[in-house]
Amino acid sequence: GQNIDQPTEMTATEGAIVQINCTYQTSGFNGLFWYQQHAGEAPTFLSYNVLDGLEEKGRFSSFLSRSKGYSYLLLKELQMKDSASYLCAVSDAGNMLTFGGGTRLMVKP
Amino acid sequence: EAQVTQNPRYLITVTGKKLTVTCSQNMNHEYMSWYRQDPGLGLRQIYYSMNVEVTDKGDVPEGYKVSRKEKRNFPLILESPSPNQTSLYFCASSLFPTTNEKLFFGSGTQLSVL
Repeated sequence: GQNIDQPTEMTATEGAIVQINCTYQTSGFNGLFWYQQHAGEAPTFLSYNVLDGLEEKGRFSSFLSRSKGYSYLLLKELQMKDSASYLCAVSDAGNMLTFGGGTRLMVKP
Repeated sequence: EAQVTQNPRYLITVTGKKLTVTCSQNMNHEYMSWYRQDPGLGLRQIYYSMNVEVTDKGDVPEGYKVSRKEKRNFPLILESPSPNQTSLYFCASSLFPTTNEKLFFGSGTQLSVL
């Protein structure tokens, strides 16, 4: 089976940088996603990594190391609207997508 | 506007009373899927569909049924709901039936079974 771990909660200050980690153990690997989910709303796509390295998209960046089974989402210049849950999801070689439990980020003034 | 539409947004029902949650997408997506979200457990897949008339079980299919008679619609049916099916449900779709495609989610259905 698949195992995906991410911290349950994190707190950061407006304007700061925060890194949300995700570790995984899967049967093969076919890509890793990050989704953002505001309370009571649907998840929305943030990023997709399939090769090692850093993908930058504005204030958000996502990093992947396949050999270590590790990814992180980096949020810069935090804003209050970034308070949300961040979901890590891994696609395995069997074409199954598994979500982690999500990390609830609280941004404080 | 490209979107996945789920209805109803909120639903309260009683044990054993059959219900259907509708899902429709207007993006001509081949792949559609249902998830339930429970605190601490993340999103768990119930059923998915690779294309019309093709459906398959996800991780937690017990107590649920689906159908895919048209490409745009993928209803979720609870024949005899039980309290352990109280959850937040999401329908999702993607262009191609591979799990390295990003998912578009509906706005969710909060179901309470009394």
